[in-house]
Amino acid sequence: KNQVEQSPQSLIILEGKNCTLQCNYTVSPFSNLRWYKQDTGRGPVSLTIMTFSENTKSNGRYTATLDADTKQSSLHITASQLSDSASYICVVLGSNYQLIWGAGTKLIIKP
Amino acid sequence: DVKVTQSSRYLVKRTGEKVFLECVQDMDHENMFWYRQDPGLGLRLIYFSYDVKMKEKGDIPEGYSVSREKKERFSLILESASTNQTSMYLCASSPPPTHMRSYEQYFGPGTRLTVT
Repeated sequence: KNQVEQSPQSLIILEGKNCTLQCNYTVSPFSNLRWYKQDTGRGPVSLTIMTFSENTKSNGRYTATLDADTKQSSLHITASQLSDSASYICVVLGSNYQLIWGAGTKLIIKP
Repeated sequence: DVKVTQSSRYLVKRTGEKVFLECVQDMDHENMFWYRQDPGLGLRLIYFSYDVKMKEKGDIPEGYSVSREKKERFSLILESASTNQTSMYLCASSPPPTHMRSYEQYFGPGTRLTVT
């Protein structure tokens, strides 16, 4: 069964610290993987997209990595800011153009 | 910037009422989607449309219908609302598969629907 699992479910860190969010998927075959950021009360916004040939991609303080062999991705946030408080959702596009959504990680940045 | 708007941010309806949720996008996208989002679950696709008057069932279409009379507008209809349809509803649009940013979805702000 195609699944995307994210961990942790929630995370609280202090402002300025780094953190890493995990995404494991069983989708096969795999086309691409996206990370979305969803602020409370808003729709998700795309952060990065990676195909199977890409290992890492950055968007400012956000860096996503992908290991297509182990079917794992991570999103690393550097020098966190209060505005990083949000849910981060991992989404995998399968071969039949089906999007498989993870449940998300809720990140809280404390001052 | 792509803009996707939804008719209401918050909505409270009674069981059995007919509910209309409207979504409008301004980027001339072919594809439009309706999802529901519940705590602890990933987004679940209700219906999508790849062209005017065309619609396809998603993963959880039961209890819902859709309408796409114009390219920019995609409506979700709850024929007879039930309490288990209390949820956040998200509309999205995306460019066609031939576009370089294909399958990137642009979301509206969501409608939080409560059915009592």
